[in-house]
Amino acid sequence: DAKTTQPTSMDCAEGRAANLPCNHSTISGNEYVYWYRQIHSQGPQYIIHGLKNNETNEMASLIITEDRKSSTLILPHATLRDTAVYYCIVRLLLDTDKLIFGTGTRLQVFP
Amino acid sequence: GAVVSQHPSRVICKSGTSVKIECRSLDFQATTMFWYRQFPKQSLMLMATSNEGSKATYEQGVEKDKFLINHASLTLSTLTVTSAHPEDSSFYICSASFPSGVYEQYFGPGTRLTVT
Repeated sequence: DAKTTQPTSMDCAEGRAANLPCNHSTISGNEYVYWYRQIHSQGPQYIIHGLKNNETNEMASLIITEDRKSSTLILPHATLRDTAVYYCIVRLLLDTDKLIFGTGTRLQVFP
Repeated sequence: GAVVSQHPSRVICKSGTSVKIECRSLDFQATTMFWYRQFPKQSLMLMATSNEGSKATYEQGVEKDKFLINHASLTLSTLTVTSAHPEDSSFYICSASFPSGVYEQYFGPGTRLTVT
């Protein structure tokens, strides 16, 4: 699996947009970028995924650079409940394909 | 979204005993389930991939005779920690692939195991 690099931690003011970067310079052409988050002492939660086009859902937006070597997860209006560890993962689109978690980014949203 | 449950949520057992953790997909059939372990302040580490009706595939360094995995049905996978030791104390999390064509994995809430 391609490896990803994320900042260890970030802070964001409540109500502001949180922009979480991820580098995946060795991503292959058929690998997708997935984002999950884990709130303390809970199981991870799926957020969004994409291949090469920007994606948006009710939780977040995903911006993937044209060369696909990096991406940014955007939480448009962060709330205190968005405080969590965010994981960027690249993987194939297969139901049997395992997720390999890196260290992730610890996002702290403050009032 | 799809729901995955785990039971128990917390368990305390004595050293040398075995403990079983259940993982269920409540509203979908999962041919593949995954088991992870997470130590405090660390990321999730994949332990094994469980396929319904066949033997689990273990990651390197994970003892298959110590961590027994059974995936007897499309909605249930179990992880049994045999002869538990204090170093097995951890947060165990399962996940199941939702076969919608998107294949995102849904995770259970986790099981906190403490071995005394």
